[in-house]
Amino acid sequence: DVKVTQSSRYLVKRTGEKVFLECVQDMDHENMFWYRQDPGLGLRLIYFSYDVKMKEKGDIPEGYSVSREKKERFSLILESASTNQTSMYLCASSFQGRVSPLHFGNGTRLTVT
Amino acid sequence: GQQVMQIPQYQHVQEGEDFTTYCNSSTTLSNIQWYKQRPGGHPVFLIQLVKSGEVKKQKRLTFQFGEAKKNSSLHITATQTTDVGTYFCAGPFRGGYQKVTFGIGTKLQVIP
Repeated sequence: DVKVTQSSRYLVKRTGEKVFLECVQDMDHENMFWYRQDPGLGLRLIYFSYDVKMKEKGDIPEGYSVSREKKERFSLILESASTNQTSMYLCASSFQGRVSPLHFGNGTRLTVT
Repeated sequence: GQQVMQIPQYQHVQEGEDFTTYCNSSTTLSNIQWYKQRPGGHPVFLIQLVKSGEVKKQKRLTFQFGEAKKNSSLHITATQTTDVGTYFCAGPFRGGYQKVTFGIGTKLQVIP
């Protein structure tokens, strides 16, 4: 079974702090994704990566950066956290190719105070 | 930008009634995926549709992909309380199949 593990289930940070959200997958997937989920807005794509050191902006990349130094790990970085980044963050991974479902982690609920 | 629109946003049904959610894209989709998220959980893959006009069934769930590959629907027959959750469609887009964009989701409540 595919396992996508997010390092924290809940996180509370202060405004202006640098925040790292970590995601690890154990299925040798090429693609990895970061989404945020907010009530009434669904899942919005922040960044995705299709290979080590490769990254592409999603629909809402502002205020975020990512790092993919190893195939199994995809990190989301909030350089200077703000209150409007309070949200549920979901990591996902998949094989490349069109016929490939996304496998999600359990999510990290981040609160920025 | 490319968008996947989903309606309705919320739906309350009596147990045993049918339920349908619709997904529309502004551009042609190479394929479309459907996910279910239970309350407090994460999205879980249900199915993928690839061919124009494709229809697939999973027990009481019927998934359709439009002829123009710009719309899709999920129909649940005789809902049960276990169907409660949010249903999302998700579309990679032609030429950008790595970028998986989700609809806003339809939150289904089933009244026993």
